[in-house]
Amino acid sequence: EVQLVESGGGLVQPGGSLRLSCAASGFIFSDYEMNWVRQAPGKGLEWISEITSDSEMEYYAESVKGRFTISRDNAKKLLYLQLNSLRPEDTAVYYCARERPCGDDCYFDAFDLWGRGTLVSVSS
Amino acid sequence: DFQMTQSPSTLSASVGDRVTITCRASQSISSGLAWYQQKPGKAPKLLIYKASTLESGVPSRFSGSGSGTEFTLTISSLQPDDFATYYCQQEWTFGQGTKVEIK
Repeated sequence: EVQLVESGGGLVQPGGSLRLSCAASGFIFSDYEMNWVRQAPGKGLEWISEITSDSEMEYYAESVKGRFTISRDNAKKLLYLQLNSLRPEDTAVYYCARERPCGDDCYFDAFDLWGRGTLVSVSS
Repeated sequence: DFQMTQSPSTLSASVGDRVTITCRASQSISSGLAWYQQKPGKAPKLLIYKASTLESGVPSRFSGSGSGTEFTLTISSLQPDDFATYYCQQEWTFGQGTKVEIK
């Protein structure tokens, strides 16, 4: 089955750290750029990070730059997000999402596969 | 900064209604826009990609149009399963969302 499954969320104190994982199955993981998107309670979707298929490039939203680190292990078909210096405003459901390749002369296709998400709560 | 402005934020409609949601980009994005449906407690579901292409398995009552900076998502005849929140997206930027409620 083609799917993404996140894990690693939980309750953490402000200033703490967590490592989220996203396990891919049913497709050639190394062919795809991968993303993390989060959603605070009752709020909209916020893109936070992307990594290219070969890990050569990483991109971050300003809200997490310098605190979060994205990485991947193509052999294990795993995507990671290291969350450091956590703040209460980082409380959200974190989704991993696969980006479908767009091809030449194409701005963007879509995030065509999403996991169910993992909840990160930052509170003292 | 690049922005996507989605409207309305809330829409009240009845079963059978034709519904239109608009997304405006702060600069031209050609046809690089996707639309998603999200229900409470669930992950977003892709409906439309490249502004107007229907994702496999999505009912044909959903359609997308536009290019450049103005885009629309249309539901031709609203069904009970369609009451949800809808988001537009240009890669790293999502619209604010439109909640479609029962009138």
